[in-house]
Amino acid sequence: AQSVTQPDIHITVSEGASLELRCNYSYGATPYLFWYVQSPGQGLQLLLKYFSGDTLVQGIKGFEAEFKRSQSSFNLRKPSVHWSDAAEYFCAVDSGGSNYKLTFGKGTLLTVNP
Amino acid sequence: KAGVTQTPRYLIKTRGQQVTLSCSPISGHRSVSWYQQTPGQGLQFLFEYFSETQRNKGNFPGRFSGRQFSNSRSEMNVSTLELGDSALYLCASSLGAGALHEQYFGPGTRLTVT
Repeated sequence: AQSVTQPDIHITVSEGASLELRCNYSYGATPYLFWYVQSPGQGLQLLLKYFSGDTLVQGIKGFEAEFKRSQSSFNLRKPSVHWSDAAEYFCAVDSGGSNYKLTFGKGTLLTVNP
Repeated sequence: KAGVTQTPRYLIKTRGQQVTLSCSPISGHRSVSWYQQTPGQGLQFLFEYFSETQRNKGNFPGRFSGRQFSNSRSEMNVSTLELGDSALYLCASSLGAGALHEQYFGPGTRLTVT
């Protein structure tokens, strides 16, 4: 069964600092990988996704993620964090195919200090 | 274009009762998925509907059921409510079934079981 691990439950960074959120997955083949963000009282918003091809993917709001097959990782990065980035971030994996069944990590809560 | 709408936004029920939650997808979207979000278990996939057919189901007991109507609107029902069913229930819609189609999430329905 596929699974996702986000090792960091809570991360605090200063505004303007760089950010890296870790995500490790467990799946036999190459999965479809996603990063979502959830602001308080809101639903989830897709930041970026990886299906195949270039292992460095660009997303919205200045985020990027790199797929590393050898490490089973899909870490999310941003060079300079803004206060509005404070939210909870979820990594997710899907096995692909027509039967959609996203498996989410437990999330990383990001706090941004001024 | 209007986003995904979920009603009601908040709900309080008593243990043993049943509840029905509603989701109206983005116009033109034919796939609707449901997720349960709790602090302990995180985000868990409930089921996906496409063209009024359940395509996939997560690991939830039979008390959780759903359906989709011809206009793509979806409802999920939970019977014989338990305290552990207290959660944020998120609905997501997409143009088609499967991970290749981006999911757009609604704000969720917060269910509290007392």
